[in-house]
Amino acid sequence: GDSVTQMEGPVTLSEEAFLTINCTYTATGYPSLFWYVQYPGEGLQLLLKATKADDKGSNKGFEATYRKETTSFHLEKGSVQVSDSAVYFCALSSPRMNTGFQKLVFGTGTRLLVSP
Amino acid sequence: EAGVAQSPRYKIIEKRQSVAFWCNPISGHATLYWYQQILGQGPKLLIQFQNNGVVDDSQLPKDRFSAERLKGVDSTLKIQPAKLEDSAVYLCASSLGRGGGIYNEQFFGPGTRLTVL
Repeated sequence: GDSVTQMEGPVTLSEEAFLTINCTYTATGYPSLFWYVQYPGEGLQLLLKATKADDKGSNKGFEATYRKETTSFHLEKGSVQVSDSAVYFCALSSPRMNTGFQKLVFGTGTRLLVSP
Repeated sequence: EAGVAQSPRYKIIEKRQSVAFWCNPISGHATLYWYQQILGQGPKLLIQFQNNGVVDDSQLPKDRFSAERLKGVDSTLKIQPAKLEDSAVYLCASSLGRGGGIYNEQFFGPGTRLTVL
């Protein structure tokens, strides 16, 4: 079945450091790819998305490029802030065979801790 | 626009007791989802509704879990009897359409944290 693999955390960085969180996937067909963020005490929020190969999703300084050849969707940010401290989830979405309804499959999440 | 509402936010029960969670999706959203998020793991879909019909409940432990969305709006998820391994955050999400694609973003509620002692 479809699956998502993320690097384990926590990732600990100083403010203004460069961030990379690795994500690879296994899927049949051509899934859409997502990064969700979960701040302490809050629900999941969609951070960015990409629907086809070579698409780049971006939001709030974060970027990720859909790489079909390496089945990857790594999250990057050039300069992190303390407020970016959260748990980041990579996810894929693909349609179910008979109904067309989409199903989200999540990775295990990567906790990011940014210190001043 | 109001987001997805869930209650209660926290619940502590003894094993073998029953518990119920409530979710009110974003107004007009036809599709509603319940996810289970065990500590250290990503959310796992338990059940998906389209209006008041079930689209997918393949990962719902039906011997103890049940869910309904009678009027196609709000929903309840019940566990009876609870086990220790049910300790998790239960997330509700909703989407306008069939969910997941670029035009059918899933919006998540804050979750209910269940602790089973």
